[in-house]
Amino acid sequence: EVHLLESGGGLVQPGGSLRLSCAASGFTFSSYAMSWVRQAPGKGLEWVSGISGGGGSTAYADAVKGRFTISRDNSKNTLDLQMNTLRADDTAVYYCAKAQTYINTWSDYWAQGTLVNVSS
Amino acid sequence: DIEMTQSPSSLSASVGDRVTITCRASQAISNYLAWYQQKPGKVFKLLIYAASTLQSGVPSRFSGSESGTDFTLTISSLQPEDVATYYCQNYNSVPLTFGGGTKVEIK
Repeated sequence: EVHLLESGGGLVQPGGSLRLSCAASGFTFSSYAMSWVRQAPGKGLEWVSGISGGGGSTAYADAVKGRFTISRDNSKNTLDLQMNTLRADDTAVYYCAKAQTYINTWSDYWAQGTLVNVSS
Repeated sequence: DIEMTQSPSSLSASVGDRVTITCRASQAISNYLAWYQQKPGKVFKLLIYAASTLQSGVPSRFSGSESGTDFTLTISSLQPEDVATYYCQNYNSVPLTFGGGTKVEIK
């Protein structure tokens, strides 16, 4: 059974940094792309970033490009999102999701979500 | 970026009703469209991918169709457990984009 468990969310001041992690189990992690998607309070979904199974290909939404870095450790089955220079509009629940072979594919499993609150 | 316009934003229907939710893409995306269900306090659930392929384990009352850049999610007979918010997602290219969501309630 596929499990995705996130950690690392919390309260951070504007301009600060935070690192989210997602621990995966129940599938061959290195064979699948992974994504981060966020949902601001009372809003819809926004794709944030994706990474290929091998980690060699990454993609970002314009809103986070240059501030966020996605990475993965296939030896530990973990996915990370390093978030720097955080802004109030980054406040959201962040979800990691398992995609298919490529970044631009559907996500068949999602984690529960972790709240990132950027506030002074 | 490809914009996904989803309608309606909310609907209320009776148990047993046929419910239709629509997503329109701002440009051609072939059949690269997925539908997700979000129940309160629950993880997102994939319902349909490739516009009309039902994900394993999803009840057959859910179906998807496409006509050009218009995509439809249909619940053939609404059940109480279908109360949720539904989202479409374009995955034709990055950035992946979502519709604004449709909140489905029971009348």
